[in-house]
Amino acid sequence: AQSVTQLDSQVPVFEEAPVELRCNYSSSVSVYLFWYVQYPNQGLQLLLKYLSGSTLVKGINGFEAEFNKSQTSFHLRKPSVHISDTAEYFCAPSGGGADGLTFGKGTHLIIQP
Amino acid sequence: NAGVTQTPKFRILKIGQSMTLQCTQDMNHNYMYWYRQDPGMGLKLIYYSVGAGITDKGEVPNGYNVSRSTTEDFPLRLELAAPSQTSVYFCASSYFGSAGEETQYFGPGTRLLVL
Repeated sequence: AQSVTQLDSQVPVFEEAPVELRCNYSSSVSVYLFWYVQYPNQGLQLLLKYLSGSTLVKGINGFEAEFNKSQTSFHLRKPSVHISDTAEYFCAPSGGGADGLTFGKGTHLIIQP
Repeated sequence: NAGVTQTPKFRILKIGQSMTLQCTQDMNHNYMYWYRQDPGMGLKLIYYSVGAGITDKGEVPNGYNVSRSTTEDFPLRLELAAPSQTSVYFCASSYFGSAGEETQYFGPGTRLLVL
């Protein structure tokens, strides 16, 4: 079974500043890792995913995430944020197959002009 | 492809009323899900289905029912609405990649207010 912790419920940053949204998971088996984004009044959409191979994964809208097995983390980063990045971000590990995804509680990214 | 569609977008119910939230996907996905989202609580799984005719309970199934007569449709039924069911409901379907990983695709959500 998976469990996931998103360490920050809200992250305020200024426009064009870098940002890191933290995610830690716990699992006794190999995992696949996902970040989803939810823009205001919309459903969730896939931002990026880690399956295997290179630990640095690039996603849409300039976001990237790094898988760190020793620290069981999958933090999401962007070097320069824009107002349009204001959204809720969800980290979700999965054991694969029929295990499904386990969603974190979400981090609300607030971009200040 | 329209992806995952949900109707209605918004509904107000009185306590004790019933309603069905509709969900349809046109991607021929076998797996489908219903989640509810409450502020600061993330998504909680209500029910899921691994194919037509097969459904199972998730984390918070009480007060809800589902059916899956076709691959495309996965309606969620509230029989006796309660204020605790005020929430945003999301339907999702999923695709399995070559590595066995599951990627879920979400509908736009239904906002339900029970008064």
